[in-house]
Amino acid sequence: NAGVTQTPKFRILKIGQSMTLQCTQDMNHNYMYWYRQDPGMGLKLIYYSVGAGITDKGEVPNGYNVSRSTTEDFPLRLELAAPSQTSVYFCASSYEAGYNEQFFGPGTRLTVL
Amino acid sequence: GQNIDQPTEMTATEGAIVQINCTYQTSGFNGLFWYQQHAGEAPTFLSYNVLDGLEEKGRFSSFLSRSKGYSYLLLKELQMKDSASYLCAAVDSNYQLIWGAGTKLIIKP
Repeated sequence: NAGVTQTPKFRILKIGQSMTLQCTQDMNHNYMYWYRQDPGMGLKLIYYSVGAGITDKGEVPNGYNVSRSTTEDFPLRLELAAPSQTSVYFCASSYEAGYNEQFFGPGTRLTVL
Repeated sequence: GQNIDQPTEMTATEGAIVQINCTYQTSGFNGLFWYQQHAGEAPTFLSYNVLDGLEEKGRFSSFLSRSKGYSYLLLKELQMKDSASYLCAAVDSNYQLIWGAGTKLIIKP
C-alpha cells in the first residue's frame, strides 16, 4: 500500500495563478482532509470529505475548492493564488472521523510570489 | 472558543526522560491525539486517549485527565531520533481535530 500520496512536492506560483494539488489514498478510507501548516502554527483544516460526493468546509476554506468524485481522490484547487496561501499543505485520510488515526501524505510546499 | 496550549520548545538530554504537556479547551471532547512530526515531514500517529489515565506504548506514554483538560506525553530513554515536533490535538463535539502549534523537542548528546 502506498498510503496517502500527494503531488507536487514543491511549487512556486505567481500571484493570480491557479493550480490543483492532487491527493490519493489507497486504504479505502471514507474520510479525507486538507490541512495547511504555517510556521509556528497548528494544522488548520481547509476542507474535508466524509465520502465520495460529499465535502464540507473546515476552519479556513476561503480561496480554495475541493471535489470528491471517487473514494480515492481528493484534489484541492487554488484559484487566484495570493501570498497568504504560501504554506505547507497536507492531505490526510481516516477510516472514520474523530477517534480514528489520520494518515498523512508527505505534503506540498507552496510558495506564492 | 477552542484552544490548545503546549510549550513551544523543550530541550532534553539523550537517555533522559521528558514530559510534554498539553492543555485543551474545546466545545465537547471526544479524545486527544499525539502526533510526531520530524522537520520537513508529515505528522505520524503516536497515541489516542479518551479515558482518564496513562497508556504506555514502549518508550512513549500518554496521560489524560478529562476533568482538568490536561494531557501529557512522556518520552523515556531519549534517543537523538526523538528530536522532532510533538503535536497535541483534541477531538471536539463535531469529531473535528483541534490542533496545538506543536512542541519542538531538541535532544542534546
